[in-house]
Amino acid sequence: QVHLQESGPGLVKPSETLSLTCTVSGGSIFGYDWTWIRQSPGKGLEYIGTVSYRGTTDYNPSLMSRVTISIDTSENQFSLKLRSVTAADTAMYFCARKWSGHDYWGQGTRVTVSS
Amino acid sequence: ESVLTQSPGTLSLSPGERATLSCRASQSLYSAWYQQRPGQAPRLLIYGVTTRAPGIPDRFSGSGSETDFTLTISRLEPEDSAVYYCQQYGSSVTFGGGTKVEIK
Repeated sequence: QVHLQESGPGLVKPSETLSLTCTVSGGSIFGYDWTWIRQSPGKGLEYIGTVSYRGTTDYNPSLMSRVTISIDTSENQFSLKLRSVTAADTAMYFCARKWSGHDYWGQGTRVTVSS
Repeated sequence: ESVLTQSPGTLSLSPGERATLSCRASQSLYSAWYQQRPGQAPRLLIYGVTTRAPGIPDRFSGSGSETDFTLTISRLEPEDSAVYYCQQYGSSVTFGGGTKVEIK
């Protein structure tokens, strides 16, 4: 059974960089695309971006200028960096496997942007 | 970038009733449906408009086209109380705003 686990700081200061990692276990990172999705408190799901196992990326146009998603196949991990964060970036951040939709999800990690 | 419009915003129905959720897309791409219960990650229900994901009960079904698609829950059970999101996935990904299903 594929398992995804997000990790990273739960509190980030305004203007700094949010950094999260998703570790994939129980299956290979090869052959799939891997996605970050977030959900602000009480709101809907927002697509952040996707990285393929080859390292090609796709980003939400509204976040593209601040986002970098990368992959480390040797560690079975992929990562999210979101620069210049504000309070509007406070959200639950999910990682997920993209395969005919998103079939496996992490439990999510809550990130608060506050000084 | 495709825009997805879900309707209705909220459905309030009794156990055993049928729920019909709609999603209209501005582009023709692959589509999926997700269920999100409070405090949980979303769960994939349907992909490719009509295909149920593994382990999903057959009371959940998808229909329609890739620009106008529907999720039907044929006989509502209490545990179906959740927010349901439609999604398009292809070269990029977009989510609809969600439909909240309340069980009376």
